[in-house]
Formats: sequence, C-alpha cells, structure tokens
Amino acid sequence: QVQLVQSGAEVKKPGASVKVSCKASGYTFTGYYMHWVRQAPGQGLEWVGWINPDSGSTKFAQKFQGRVTMTRDTSITTAYMELSRLRSDDTALYYCAKDGGKTMVREIDYWGQGTLVTVSS
Amino acid sequence: DIQMTQSPSSLSASVGDRVTITCRASQSISSYLNWYQQKPGKAPNLLIYAASNLQSGVPSRFSGSGSGTDFTLTITSLQPEDFATYYCQQSYISITFGQGTRLEI
Repeated sequence: QVQLVQSGAEVKKPGASVKVSCKASGYTFTGYYMHWVRQAPGQGLEWVGWINPDSGSTKFAQKFQGRVTMTRDTSITTAYMELSRLRSDDTALYYCAKDGGKTMVREIDYWGQGTLVTVSS
Repeated sequence: DIQMTQSPSSLSASVGDRVTITCRASQSISSYLNWYQQKPGKAPNLLIYAASNLQSGVPSRFSGSGSGTDFTLTITSLQPEDFATYYCQQSYISITFGQGTRLEI
C-alpha cells in the first residue's frame, strides 16, 4: 500500500531554514509527481510546488519562488522540501502528497501525515 | 494564476439532506478539477477527480459535474461522517485550491 512518511515537527527562528523529508513506499517513486502543500492553523490548503522524482524538475507557486527548494533521493525513495528565510506566517502543517498522474500533474491521491513547522522567536 | 472561488464558505445541513457546493475558476480549466474532503486533524482525501470521476472507495452519494469555469460537488443523503471541509482544486495550470467550504450539522 502507498505510504508517505514525513519527518517530525520543527521549531525554527525567523530567518532560518527548514528541510522536511518524505519517505515514499508502496509504489514506483519515480513514476509519479510529488507535491508539497501547506496548511496554516485554521486555514485552507496552499500548494507550494511539485517535483518530478524521475527527472528532478520542479515547479513552484510564484509566492515561494526564490525561497523553496525541492529535491529527491531516488536510492531511498525520499523527497525533500527546504524553505528558507522563514517568517512567522510560514508556520503551518506541511504535507507531501503523491500525484495520481504518470505523465502529467492531475490529482493528489495520497497524502503524508504532515509536518508541523513552527516559526517563532 | 488561476483563482478558484468556492461557495458557500460554510453550510449548515442535516443528516439525509442533499447539498451542493460550487466552485468557479477565474478562467477555463476544461475538466482539470478535483474535490477533496478534509476532517479535523486529518490529511485531505480525494473524492472526485477530473470533475466527475468518483475516486475508488468513495461512496456513490458523492458526485461531481461541470467543465470550463463552473463546477459542482453534490452529496445526496448526507451521512454523519460527511460533515467536514471540502476543497476544490484545479490542475490545469499549476495547482490552486479553493478556500474551502465547511459543512456543519
């Protein structure tokens, strides 16, 4: 069965960086896009970006460009999201999420459990 | 960026009711529209993909329709477990979510 297991909660100071990992299993890791989506406390879902685990290509939401990096290690079927220059409004639950499309982005069919990132001085 | 606007933002209903949630895109997105359900403290769950296709394992009381800019999610005969927040999401250009619709008892 498909599983996405994320790293644990993080507390960071403003201006710092955070790197979240997502260990995938139960499917062909390089066959499907991986998204990162965040949800601030009590708020809606916000797409951060995706990575193609096969090619390593990425696409980010405009508001995160320049601050976010997405990478992957195919040998251990793990995706990573790093967000830099953290601000208090980056405090959120960050999800990794598998896309259902093989050759194009379509819909998100599996989600990780979420990683809470708290930014506080 | 494509903006997705859901209405209503919140909705009160009773068990057994039929409810409809609408989602409007700021430009045509063909049928690249998905619906998710999220319960408190849980990750979202895919209900409908490509506007009208029921995800495997999702009860048939959920249905989706629409194309272009206007879409609907319909739940017939509401069950207690359906009270949750619902999001639409477009994948035509990048990804954008609607702001959510909270369905309350």
